[in-house]
Amino acid sequence: DTAVSQTPKYLVTQMGNDKSIKCEQNLGHDTMYWYKQDSKKFLKIMFSYNNKELIINETVPNRFSPKSPDKAHLNLHINSLELGDSAVYFCASSLTDRGIYEQYFGPGTRLTVT
Amino acid sequence: EDQVTQSPEALRLQEGESSSLNCSYTVSGLRGLFWYRQDPGKGPEFLFTLYSAGEEKEKERLKATLTKKESFLHITAPKPEDSATYLCAVPGGTSYGKLTFGQGTILTVHP
Repeated sequence: DTAVSQTPKYLVTQMGNDKSIKCEQNLGHDTMYWYKQDSKKFLKIMFSYNNKELIINETVPNRFSPKSPDKAHLNLHINSLELGDSAVYFCASSLTDRGIYEQYFGPGTRLTVT
Repeated sequence: EDQVTQSPEALRLQEGESSSLNCSYTVSGLRGLFWYRQDPGKGPEFLFTLYSAGEEKEKERLKATLTKKESFLHITAPKPEDSATYLCAVPGGTSYGKLTFGQGTILTVHP
């Protein structure tokens, strides 16, 4: 199936730990994104990569570090996890070289920090 | 700064009772407006893109319209399976590909 996939779907960890979330898309898109959805269901962009180049870097603690090994993959590494990092993290992708911006989302990773 | 406001926050309908959801936006240079549907525990599912005022798009019981200041998602004769959170979003005028989302409308359709 063509889609945006994320692993893991659930992540439960303790404060202070370091964790990573992986994202892959097989839609042939050139841009990938990380969004955070808080407890009030509000979606907010964190990062965006276009052809492996960081193009959007919102006001996010530097404990969060995205990495894009290639156009089809975008990972999110989080250091020294805090309680406030608990949220659902969504990966998305889009084809932007033609000025088309609609983004397709993955199933999300629910991160719980205890 | 781009802003997107959706209303109402929650809407309860009886099956077959048509209604509309509103999305008001403020953005410098509209490049499009997107509607998404999000089911509990899932990622947002793309529904429509509208690019210019006066444009309309339809899909099954849903019709999206766009004016210069707002968009409407009309739901005709809804069914319980239409229950979901509906999100609208606009791409930023200055940040390439950045989507600003509204807070969503939670739609519940009772049989």
